[in-house]
Amino acid sequence: KAGVTQTPRYLIKTRGQQVTLSCSPISGHRSVSWYQQTPGQGLQFLFEYFSETQRNKGNFPGRFSGRQFSNSRSEMNVSTLELGDSALYLCASSLQGIGETQYFGPGTRLLVL
Amino acid sequence: GQQVMQIPQYQHVQEGEDFTTYCNSSTTLSNIQWYKQRPGGHPVFLIQLVKSGEVKKQKRLTFQFGEAKKNSSLHITATQTTDVGTYFCAGPTGGYQKVTFGTGTKLQVIP
Repeated sequence: KAGVTQTPRYLIKTRGQQVTLSCSPISGHRSVSWYQQTPGQGLQFLFEYFSETQRNKGNFPGRFSGRQFSNSRSEMNVSTLELGDSALYLCASSLQGIGETQYFGPGTRLLVL
Repeated sequence: GQQVMQIPQYQHVQEGEDFTTYCNSSTTLSNIQWYKQRPGGHPVFLIQLVKSGEVKKQKRLTFQFGEAKKNSSLHITATQTTDVGTYFCAGPTGGYQKVTFGTGTKLQVIP
């Protein structure tokens, strides 16, 4: 069974731009969660999508948004990028949601200049 | 809010020595999961503990969930260079509203 895939793997943007990251979960997994990982803040939960609906949300500003498609693939969007948004963005999928084993993708490393 | 702290933050050990990381939550957890992240990699699931006082073993790794379900530990016996990485604990919080990851313990094994 193929693992979680994320595209692109690396991205360089400038302040003020917006970015869209993509995540394809493991086949059959309906829950997709997004995390931001930085050296200073560690792994922080952004949000979780299940059956095309945002089910849970972490403490991030509204510039961070996402969506999920009917095939469970998910996208995350960050608008008006700030330098502090530079991070590794990880998505994870699971069968039913948070509280179960999370299978992580390789991540998208975003650098904001 | 919910906090999950891990100690130590960093640990350097000589190959063959034992290693332990501790995870402490400010609130009771319904379950706890452990993940390992190799340098440059992504978190990989190791194990999940659910019951109070539960102990599980995976070869040289021993995982324990505290009686009060607020703390957990991971012990590695006779470390090897392949054990290098950051170990995270994680638990569902806020009534399964989100997952809170621990601060992580970075393990370096000196050959």
